[in-house]
Amino acid sequence: GQNIDQPTEMTATEGAIVQINCTYQTSGFNGLFWYQQHAGEAPTFLSYNVLDGLEEKGRFSSFLSRSKGYSYLLLKELQMKDSASYLCAAHDSNYQLIWGAGTKLIIKP
Amino acid sequence: DAEITQSPRHKITETGRQVTLACHQTWNHNNMFWYRQDLGHGLRLIHYSYGVHDTNKGEVSDGYSVSRSNTEDLPLTLESAASSQTSVYFCASSEGRSEIYTGELFFGEGSRLTVL
Repeated sequence: GQNIDQPTEMTATEGAIVQINCTYQTSGFNGLFWYQQHAGEAPTFLSYNVLDGLEEKGRFSSFLSRSKGYSYLLLKELQMKDSASYLCAAHDSNYQLIWGAGTKLIIKP
Repeated sequence: DAEITQSPRHKITETGRQVTLACHQTWNHNNMFWYRQDLGHGLRLIHYSYGVHDTNKGEVSDGYSVSRSNTEDLPLTLESAASSQTSVYFCASSEGRSEIYTGELFFGEGSRLTVL
């Protein structure tokens, strides 16, 4: 079956760096996405990786290894507003999105 | 600015009643999706559409229906609401598929449905 695994919850300190991991098993692969979702709000797009390597976008970076079925989202210089859930999702061969359950990130002062 | 809106944002209904959740987007996107989100689960796809008059079932489509009569709207109907359908429902849209596909989904604000 198709599956996305990511930690349920992580805690980090303001100003620090945190890495949120995601592993995926899909029937074919056409890209991996990260979304941010603040409590009570809609998910918003953060990043998209389809080739191996690191994509940097400001304080956020996303990494993909297709051979390992693995991705991570790296958040630097953490701010209190980064407290949110981070959703990992992968496109299968039919461009259907398979979603992880999300990682709740708690930022402490 | 282009946007995607859902209504109602909150709804309480009784078991057995028919409920329709509206979704309207002004992005002029071909693709529209309905998801439900429950604690402990990822977003689960209910129905989706790749264009006018096109509708497809997702992984949790039982008890739900959609129709796409124009580009902007994809209403979701619960034919006979059940307590198991208590959830937060998100509508989303994206551009048509192409070889260079960003896949970015634009989500509505969500509709919280409670079935008593």
